[in-house]
Amino acid sequence: DAGVTQSPTHLIKTRGQQVTLRCSPKSGHDTVSWYQQALGQGPQFIFQYYEEEERQRGNFPDRFSGHQYPNYSSELNVNALLLGDSALYLCASSLGQLTDTQYFGPGTRLTVL
Amino acid sequence: AQSVTQLGSHVSVSEGALVLLRCNYSSSVPPYLFWYVQYPNQGLQLLLKYTSAATLVKGINGFEAEFKKSETSFHLTKPSAHMSDAAEYFCAVSERNTGNQFYFGTGTSLTVIP
Repeated sequence: DAGVTQSPTHLIKTRGQQVTLRCSPKSGHDTVSWYQQALGQGPQFIFQYYEEEERQRGNFPDRFSGHQYPNYSSELNVNALLLGDSALYLCASSLGQLTDTQYFGPGTRLTVL
Repeated sequence: AQSVTQLGSHVSVSEGALVLLRCNYSSSVPPYLFWYVQYPNQGLQLLLKYTSAATLVKGINGFEAEFKKSETSFHLTKPSAHMSDAAEYFCAVSERNTGNQFYFGTGTSLTVIP
Protein backbone atom coordinates (compact mmCIF):
# COMPACT_ATOMS: atom_id res chain seq x y z
CA ASP A 1 0.00 0.00 0.00
CA ALA A 2 1.68 3.18 -1.18
CA GLY A 3 1.78 5.98 1.29
CA VAL A 4 1.62 9.67 0.50
CA THR A 5 3.93 10.59 -2.34
CA GLN A 6 5.17 14.02 -3.37
CA SER A 7 7.06 15.35 -6.34
CA PRO A 8 9.56 16.72 -6.92
CA THR A 9 11.76 16.08 -3.90
CA HIS A 10 13.83 19.20 -4.42
CA LEU A 11 13.27 22.36 -6.41
CA ILE A 12 15.26 25.53 -6.96
CA LYS A 13 13.56 28.66 -8.26
CA THR A 14 14.33 32.35 -8.46
CA ARG A 15 12.32 35.22 -7.03
CA GLY A 16 9.23 36.07 -9.02
CA GLN A 17 8.87 32.65 -10.59
CA GLN A 18 5.96 30.29 -10.17
CA VAL A 19 6.10 26.72 -8.87
CA THR A 20 3.78 23.71 -8.80
CA LEU A 21 4.15 20.92 -6.27
CA ARG A 22 2.30 17.63 -6.53
CA CYS A 23 0.90 15.15 -4.05
CA SER A 24 -0.74 11.75 -4.30
CA PRO A 25 -2.64 10.74 -1.17
CA LYS A 26 -2.53 7.44 0.61
CA SER A 27 -4.78 4.87 -1.01
CA GLY A 28 -8.39 5.34 0.10
CA HIS A 29 -7.90 8.86 1.42
CA ASP A 30 -9.98 11.68 0.00
CA THR A 31 -8.69 14.72 1.89
CA VAL A 32 -5.40 16.47 1.24
CA SER A 33 -3.82 19.16 3.37
CA TRP A 34 -0.74 21.21 2.60
CA TYR A 35 1.76 22.58 5.11
CA GLN A 36 4.78 24.84 4.95
CA GLN A 37 7.66 24.00 7.26
CA ALA A 38 10.33 26.66 7.50
CA LEU A 39 13.74 25.65 8.77
CA GLY A 40 13.63 24.99 12.52
CA GLN A 41 9.87 25.48 12.74
CA GLY A 42 6.80 23.33 13.00
CA PRO A 43 4.57 22.85 9.97
CA GLN A 44 2.13 25.69 9.24
CA PHE A 45 -1.23 24.86 7.69
CA ILE A 46 -1.75 26.31 4.20
CA PHE A 47 -5.05 24.79 3.09
CA GLN A 48 -7.07 21.63 2.83
CA TYR A 49 -8.90 20.10 -0.12
CA TYR A 50 -11.88 17.80 0.05
CA GLU A 51 -14.14 16.80 -2.86
CA GLU A 52 -12.08 19.02 -5.16
CA GLU A 53 -12.81 22.14 -3.14
CA GLU A 54 -10.72 24.20 -0.77
CA ARG A 55 -12.45 23.66 2.56
CA GLN A 56 -10.12 25.36 5.00
CA ARG A 57 -7.32 27.86 4.65
CA GLY A 58 -4.59 29.03 6.95
CA ASN A 59 -3.01 32.45 7.09
CA PHE A 60 -1.33 32.42 3.70
CA PRO A 61 -1.65 34.97 0.90
CA ASP A 62 -3.51 34.38 -2.35
CA ARG A 63 -0.19 33.68 -4.05
CA PHE A 64 -0.70 30.20 -2.64
CA SER A 65 -3.36 28.26 -4.47
CA GLY A 66 -4.21 24.66 -5.01
CA HIS A 67 -6.24 22.12 -6.80
CA GLN A 68 -7.58 18.65 -6.16
CA TYR A 69 -8.36 16.22 -8.96
CA PRO A 70 -11.11 13.58 -9.10
CA ASN A 71 -8.57 10.90 -8.18
CA TYR A 72 -7.87 12.95 -5.00
CA SER A 73 -4.36 13.93 -6.00
CA SER A 74 -3.52 17.55 -5.39
CA GLU A 75 -1.31 20.40 -6.49
CA LEU A 76 0.05 23.39 -4.63
CA ASN A 77 0.87 26.44 -6.72
CA VAL A 78 2.87 29.39 -5.52
CA ASN A 79 3.11 32.52 -7.67
CA ALA A 80 5.54 35.42 -7.49
CA LEU A 81 7.98 33.52 -5.32
CA LEU A 82 9.70 35.32 -2.48
CA LEU A 83 12.87 34.38 -0.68
CA GLY A 84 10.73 33.66 2.39
CA ASP A 85 8.87 30.94 0.52
CA SER A 86 11.92 28.73 0.85
CA ALA A 87 10.78 25.81 2.99
CA LEU A 88 9.83 22.17 3.11
CA TYR A 89 6.30 21.75 1.76
CA LEU A 90 4.46 18.82 3.24
CA CYS A 91 1.37 17.13 1.95
CA ALA A 92 -0.82 15.13 4.31
CA SER A 93 -3.77 12.92 3.48
CA SER A 94 -6.65 11.69 5.60
CA LEU A 95 -10.08 10.19 5.27
CA GLY A 96 -13.08 12.44 5.40
CA GLN A 97 -13.50 15.92 6.73
CA LEU A 98 -13.81 15.16 10.38
CA THR A 99 -10.66 14.92 12.32
CA ASP A 100 -8.70 11.86 11.56
CA THR A 101 -5.06 10.99 11.53
CA GLN A 102 -3.12 12.78 8.85
CA TYR A 103 -0.43 10.84 7.05
CA PHE A 104 2.44 12.90 5.74
CA GLY A 105 4.51 12.60 2.63
CA PRO A 106 8.29 13.12 2.58
CA GLY A 107 7.92 16.71 1.43
CA THR A 108 9.29 18.92 -1.33
CA ARG A 109 12.24 21.11 -0.45
CA LEU A 110 11.80 24.45 -2.25
CA THR A 111 14.70 26.86 -2.40
CA VAL A 112 14.09 30.37 -3.74
CA LEU A 113 17.20 32.28 -4.80
CA ALA B 1 -7.99 29.38 18.14
CA GLN B 2 -5.88 26.38 18.85
CA SER B 3 -2.28 26.63 19.94
CA VAL B 4 0.41 24.24 21.03
CA THR B 5 3.41 24.93 23.23
CA GLN B 6 6.36 22.60 23.39
CA LEU B 7 8.60 23.46 26.30
CA GLY B 8 12.25 22.96 25.52
CA SER B 9 13.37 23.25 21.92
CA HIS B 10 16.29 20.92 22.67
CA VAL B 11 16.37 17.97 25.05
CA SER B 12 19.39 15.75 25.69
CA VAL B 13 19.22 12.42 27.49
CA SER B 14 21.64 9.58 28.02
CA GLU B 15 21.02 6.29 26.31
CA GLY B 16 18.79 4.21 28.59
CA ALA B 17 17.42 7.22 30.45
CA LEU B 18 13.83 8.41 30.59
CA VAL B 19 12.63 10.59 27.75
CA LEU B 20 10.11 13.32 28.62
CA LEU B 21 8.97 15.79 25.97
CA ARG B 22 6.44 18.37 27.07
CA CYS B 23 3.37 19.59 25.21
CA ASN B 24 0.65 21.94 26.39
CA TYR B 25 -2.30 23.03 24.32
CA SER B 26 -5.01 25.62 24.41
CA SER B 27 -8.42 24.75 23.10
CA SER B 28 -11.98 25.76 23.82
CA VAL B 29 -13.17 22.20 23.42
CA PRO B 30 -11.46 18.87 24.07
CA PRO B 31 -9.18 18.39 21.11
CA TYR B 32 -7.57 15.53 19.33
CA LEU B 33 -3.87 15.37 20.13
CA PHE B 34 -0.99 13.86 18.22
CA TRP B 35 2.74 13.32 18.44
CA TYR B 36 4.77 13.08 15.27
CA VAL B 37 8.47 12.35 14.77
CA GLN B 38 10.58 13.74 11.98
CA TYR B 39 13.97 12.36 11.04
CA PRO B 40 16.39 14.55 9.06
CA ASN B 41 15.21 15.31 5.55
CA GLN B 42 12.08 13.25 5.96
CA GLY B 43 8.37 13.86 6.44
CA LEU B 44 6.44 13.38 9.66
CA GLN B 45 5.65 9.96 11.06
CA LEU B 46 2.79 9.44 13.50
CA LEU B 47 3.90 8.19 16.92
CA LEU B 48 0.56 8.18 18.69
CA LYS B 49 -2.75 9.98 18.96
CA TYR B 50 -5.42 10.77 21.54
CA THR B 51 -9.02 10.91 20.33
CA SER B 52 -11.02 10.70 23.58
CA ALA B 53 -10.61 7.04 24.41
CA ALA B 54 -8.12 6.03 27.12
CA THR B 55 -6.15 8.97 28.47
CA LEU B 56 -2.91 6.97 28.44
CA VAL B 57 -2.01 6.34 24.84
CA LYS B 58 0.63 3.89 23.69
CA GLY B 59 2.39 4.44 20.40
CA ILE B 60 5.12 2.97 18.30
CA ASN B 61 8.74 2.46 19.33
CA GLY B 62 7.89 2.30 23.04
CA PHE B 63 6.53 5.84 23.32
CA GLU B 64 3.43 6.76 25.25
CA ALA B 65 1.62 9.95 26.21
CA GLU B 66 -0.97 10.87 28.80
CA PHE B 67 -3.78 13.31 28.22
CA LYS B 68 -4.38 15.46 31.30
CA LYS B 69 -7.33 17.74 30.79
CA SER B 70 -6.83 19.61 34.07
CA GLU B 71 -3.30 20.51 33.02
CA THR B 72 -4.06 20.86 29.28
CA SER B 73 -1.04 18.69 28.69
CA PHE B 74 -0.09 15.76 26.50
CA HIS B 75 3.50 14.95 27.42
CA LEU B 76 5.41 12.26 25.54
CA THR B 77 7.49 9.71 27.45
CA LYS B 78 9.66 6.68 26.84
CA PRO B 79 11.18 4.72 29.73
CA SER B 80 14.53 4.05 28.10
CA ALA B 81 16.05 6.15 25.33
CA HIS B 82 17.70 4.50 22.36
CA MET B 83 20.18 6.09 19.99
CA SER B 84 17.66 5.71 17.17
CA ASP B 85 15.23 8.00 19.04
CA ALA B 86 17.31 11.05 18.14
CA ALA B 87 15.00 13.16 15.98
CA GLU B 88 12.65 16.15 15.98
CA TYR B 89 9.35 15.64 17.77
CA PHE B 90 6.21 17.63 17.09
CA CYS B 91 3.04 17.84 19.13
CA ALA B 92 -0.11 18.70 17.18
CA VAL B 93 -3.67 19.50 18.08
CA SER B 94 -6.83 19.38 16.04
CA GLU B 95 -10.22 20.62 17.11
CA ARG B 96 -12.85 17.96 16.62
CA ASN B 97 -15.96 18.71 14.55
CA THR B 98 -14.36 21.51 12.57
CA GLY B 99 -12.33 19.63 10.02
CA ASN B 100 -8.86 18.36 10.44
CA GLN B 101 -6.64 21.41 10.37
CA PHE B 102 -3.67 20.58 12.52
CA TYR B 103 -1.82 23.11 14.66
CA PHE B 104 1.76 22.13 15.37
CA GLY B 105 4.16 23.13 18.07
CA THR B 106 7.59 24.41 17.17
CA GLY B 107 9.16 21.04 17.87
CA THR B 108 11.65 19.53 20.30
CA SER B 109 14.95 18.20 19.08
CA LEU B 110 15.94 15.10 21.03
CA THR B 111 19.62 14.19 21.35
CA VAL B 112 20.60 10.82 22.81
CA ILE B 113 24.03 10.68 24.35
CA PRO B 114 25.81 7.33 24.25
